[in-house]
Parts: sequence; C-alpha cells; structure tokens
Amino acid sequence: GIQVEQSPPDLILQEGANSTLRCNFSDSVNNLQWFHQNPWGQLINLFYIPSGTKQNGRLSATTVATERYSLLYISSSQTTDSGVYFCAVALQGGSEKLVFGKGTKLTVNP
Amino acid sequence: ETGVTQTPRHLVMGMTNKKSLKCEQHLGHNAMYWYKQSAKKPLELMFVYNFKEQTENNSVPSRFSPECPNSSHLFLHLHTLQPEDSALYLCASSQEGGWTNTEAFFGQGTRLTVV
Repeated sequence: GIQVEQSPPDLILQEGANSTLRCNFSDSVNNLQWFHQNPWGQLINLFYIPSGTKQNGRLSATTVATERYSLLYISSSQTTDSGVYFCAVALQGGSEKLVFGKGTKLTVNP
Repeated sequence: ETGVTQTPRHLVMGMTNKKSLKCEQHLGHNAMYWYKQSAKKPLELMFVYNFKEQTENNSVPSRFSPECPNSSHLFLHLHTLQPEDSALYLCASSQEGGWTNTEAFFGQGTRLTVV
C-alpha cells in the first residue's frame, strides 16, 4: 500500500518562529489533506490540497504531486498551534482508504 | 453544533462489558468511517460505510461490530474487548466514498479504556 512519511517527528519552537512540516508519499494521489489534532483529540481540517498552493491566515501549504511531497508552513507560531499535524492521502483510482502519516508533534513555547 | 458529533467522549469498560459508541454527522454526507488511534501508531481505518452499505472492513476483529442505520448515524458496538483495544476511536464523514474532490471531517473522538 501507499506509504506516507512525515518529518520531522517532533518540533519545538519559540512563539513567533516559523516552521515547515513535510509529507512524502510513495504513489500518485488524488487526495491530500492536512489536519491538526488538538490536545483533546479532535482532528481539525487545515487544507485539502492534492496539488498547488493554498493559504489560510498564518498557515499555507504546497503540494508538488509530480514529486510526491507536500509542505505545511506555519508562520509566527503561537502556543495554540501546539499539537500533532497529520498528512493523509488517498491513492488515485478511487480507493476507500485515506492513509495517514505518523504525524509531526509541534510544541510552541511562550 | 459541530459537524460530526461523537458520544461518549470518554468510556471505561471491563473486558466482559458490552457498550456502544455513537457518531452523528450533520453535514449531509453519504460516507462514514471509523478510525482507531493507538499510542505511537498512525490512525488505522477500521470500517467504511457508503450510502449505509459497508464497503470496507480492514480486518477488524469481530468483537467490534459496526452499524449504520442511515447516512447520518454510525455506531460501533463493543463486546469482550481486550486491554490492547484501549485507544481513541474517531468517526469521520465525507460527501461520498472514494476520495476525489472530497474531504474527511472528524468528530472529537471517544477515548476508550478497557480494564
């Protein structure tokens, strides 16, 4: 099956710093989503981005489908950005499975 | 009211108990999913329902029994669980099965502890 690798596994920042999270995937995909899991466990949708670039406030994401990776940028980080960031992909071909990476655990210190 | 609601939020059960997890979505979606999140592991897909029909069972033990009475509701019936089944159980929904041009939306999860 498709492999999804996220890096780094852990990231610690000071408030105000910028960061880049990476998601590599092993096959062609027709769906890629970024989620933020808050401390209470809920997965919050950040971006649906199978290709191209999107921005939402301090967050932006870029997926280069031909090179099989996606990047999530967080600028001017805040303590509320802490949590785990997941990338999830689905194979081209209509698979029922949305496959998740292991996540990047982000800690933003005041 | 959030789009996908799960109850209860926390559940502690003995290995001989029978309990059920409930998920309800208010997004008008036609596909619903159960995922399991264990410590130190990626989210694992358990079941997929598309228009109330089960379309995926990801080799889940029979002590987990899903039920989808309609497109808005999904249950996970639990019986004779093991301590290793302790995990966060997440429900999700999407417009339809298949992932082209559709997003998954998740509930808050049920944190299950089996004692």
